[in-house]
Amino acid sequence: GAVVSQHPSWVICKSGTSVKIECRSLDFQATTMFWYRQFPKQSLMLMATSNEGSKATYEQGVEKDKFLINHASLTLSTLTVTSAHPEDSSFYICSARPGQIHGQPQHFGDGTRLSIL
Amino acid sequence: GDSVTQMEGPVTLSEEAFLTINCTYTATGYPSLFWYVQYPGEGLQLLLKATKADDKGSNKGFEATYRKETTSFHLEKGSVQVSDSAVYFCALSDGGYQKVTFGTGTKLQVIP
Repeated sequence: GAVVSQHPSWVICKSGTSVKIECRSLDFQATTMFWYRQFPKQSLMLMATSNEGSKATYEQGVEKDKFLINHASLTLSTLTVTSAHPEDSSFYICSARPGQIHGQPQHFGDGTRLSIL
Repeated sequence: GDSVTQMEGPVTLSEEAFLTINCTYTATGYPSLFWYVQYPGEGLQLLLKATKADDKGSNKGFEATYRKETTSFHLEKGSVQVSDSAVYFCALSDGGYQKVTFGTGTKLQVIP
């Protein structure tokens, strides 16, 4: 079945550094990928929609300059958290859907736990 | 806009008990409906789905029926196991844009 790989799975870094998270679709092409953020014991909040070859579409309240998204190919999207601070600590999850057929589910990566010290 | 409402948890059950987690939705058009499961420290896994009214999704003993008249998609399992302990998310997706809207999640704890 469709597989989405996310890397790294866990990052710990100092405040002020930038962190890049990769999301790859391993066995299908994805023109659109999605980035979510999940706070402890809460649901997933959509941050942005990553579009291959064009700018990402951000949800209201998400800082574009803080969370840089690049969708360089049909199988890779990256999320860079720039100048990370402790409040950026969270669980970040990406997803993608193979094809455009109605009803196909999103397939999720295993998530990246980001801890900023 | 689209929204999903599911019962708050945690839900605590004894092994072999019957499970129901309620989920209702609000959407324009004809969304697809999903249940995802998240085990501790992991990402989301698709549990089951239904794409049109009266469809029943099923997997691993779990079932949910797409009820358009009541805008519901309740998750059920006849006999839960300890290994079913996880957080369950009800979700919907509009057909065109692919955007997924999640409920708040329901934590299930199954005790031996």
